[in-house]
Amino acid sequence: EAGVTQSPTHLIKTRGQQATLRCSPISGHTSVYWYQQALGLGLQFLLWYDEGEERNRGNFPPRFSGRQFPNYSSELNVNALELEDSALYLCASSQSSPGTPNEKLFFGSGTQLSVL
Amino acid sequence: AQRVTQPEKLLSVFKGAPVELKCNYSYSGSPELFWYVQYSRQRLQLLLRHISRESIKGFTADLNKGETSFHLKKPFAQEEDSAMYYCALRPYSSASKIIFGSGTRLSIRP
Repeated sequence: EAGVTQSPTHLIKTRGQQATLRCSPISGHTSVYWYQQALGLGLQFLLWYDEGEERNRGNFPPRFSGRQFPNYSSELNVNALELEDSALYLCASSQSSPGTPNEKLFFGSGTQLSVL
Repeated sequence: AQRVTQPEKLLSVFKGAPVELKCNYSYSGSPELFWYVQYSRQRLQLLLRHISRESIKGFTADLNKGETSFHLKKPFAQEEDSAMYYCALRPYSSASKIIFGSGTRLSIRP
């Protein structure tokens, strides 16, 4: 079974530019989560999509946005990039319905975003 | 506010010694709690969850609602246990995000 795939692996941008990160969940999974892993800060919750809808978002400014497509893949967009946006962005997918007790997240390898 | 605290950034123990990775949470209701692990050059993956009351790779974790803790324990550490460990929480709600702690790096010395 193919795992969660993320692209690109690395992304280098300059301040003010826009970045687009992509995630393909495991086949059959409808939920996609995005997390930011900045150095020393652990995983910070960004966004959660399920069945094409945004279900919840973390404490990030509106320039962080995303969407989920009909095939359940997802995009994370970061506008007006700032230096502190440099981080590893992890995507995770889940098969279970939101709120079910057996939900298990499967993570991708991440996209390392560097803002210069 | 919901919060997960892992007070130790780094924990170093000798092989064969007991291990305890601390996790405290802040949530007024009944949460669902997990431990995730990331081994070197591997993806973050689920280790165990409190609802299953399972032991995985010799690790166990008990939910203590009085102390709002979910510490991860293993009686005898092995070198292959060296990894980054994250405690995570999700409230029982239909639209709840999963919140992670900042992680503890466990290093097992030979």
